[in-house]
Amino acid sequence: ILNVEQSPQSLHVQEGDSTNFTCSFPSSNFYALHWYRWETAKSPEALFVMTLNGDEKKKGRISATLNTKEGYSYLYIKGSQPEDSATYLCALPTGWNQGGKLIFGQGTELSVKP
Amino acid sequence: DAGVTQSPTHLIKTRGQQVTLRCSPKSGHDTVSWYQQALGQGPQFIFQYYEEEERQRGNFPDRFSGHQFPNYSSELNVNALLLGDSALYLCASSTGQENQPQHFGDGTRLSIL
Repeated sequence: ILNVEQSPQSLHVQEGDSTNFTCSFPSSNFYALHWYRWETAKSPEALFVMTLNGDEKKKGRISATLNTKEGYSYLYIKGSQPEDSATYLCALPTGWNQGGKLIFGQGTELSVKP
Repeated sequence: DAGVTQSPTHLIKTRGQQVTLRCSPKSGHDTVSWYQQALGQGPQFIFQYYEEEERQRGNFPDRFSGHQFPNYSSELNVNALLLGDSALYLCASSTGQENQPQHFGDGTRLSIL
C-alpha cells in the first residue's frame, strides 16, 4: 500500500516568516508528485506537478523541490502572508498512465498571523 | 470558463437513507474522480469514471456507486447511509493524461444524523 506522509501536521508562523514543510513517499516506482493548496471554504488548487529528480518549481513566493531517490519533496514559502493560510496537500498519482487516483498525504495546515 | 461545479453544497440525511451528489467537470475534461475527505485526513479516493465506465476504484463498499453521463458529468450515490459517511465529498476532473493536475470542485458537505 502506497503511503504518503506530510509533516508537520500544522504550523503557526508570523507574517514575514519563511517556512517549509515535507512530503515523504516510497522512492520505488515513483512517477510524479502533485502539490495542492486548499483554502478554507474553497476548492483545492493545483500548485505544482513534479516529475524529475532534482526538479525545482516556483510560483511567486512558493517553491518546491523533489528528491525521488530518497523519497521526499519540500514546499517552501518565502515571506509568509496571511493569505498563504491554507492546508497544503501532496499527492501521488497512480494507475491508468498515472492519470488515475491520487493518494494524498494528510496535509499540513499553515496559519499565518498578521 | 467554468471550473468544476458540485451540487448540492450541503446535505443533511438520516441513517439508512440514500443520497445522490452531482458534479459537472471543467470544460474540456473527460475524466471525473470522487474523493471523501474526513476531518483531519487527506482526501480518500472513491472511484474514477472515464467514457461512462468506472475505471478505477478505491477501498469503499458497494454502497458507494457512481455514474458518468455522455456530457461527462457524474453522480455519486451512497445507499444505506451510516453515521461514518459524514464527510466532505470532492469531485475532481482531469484529462486523465499523465502529468496533469486534477481540478477540484468546492465539495458537498454531507451530514448524517
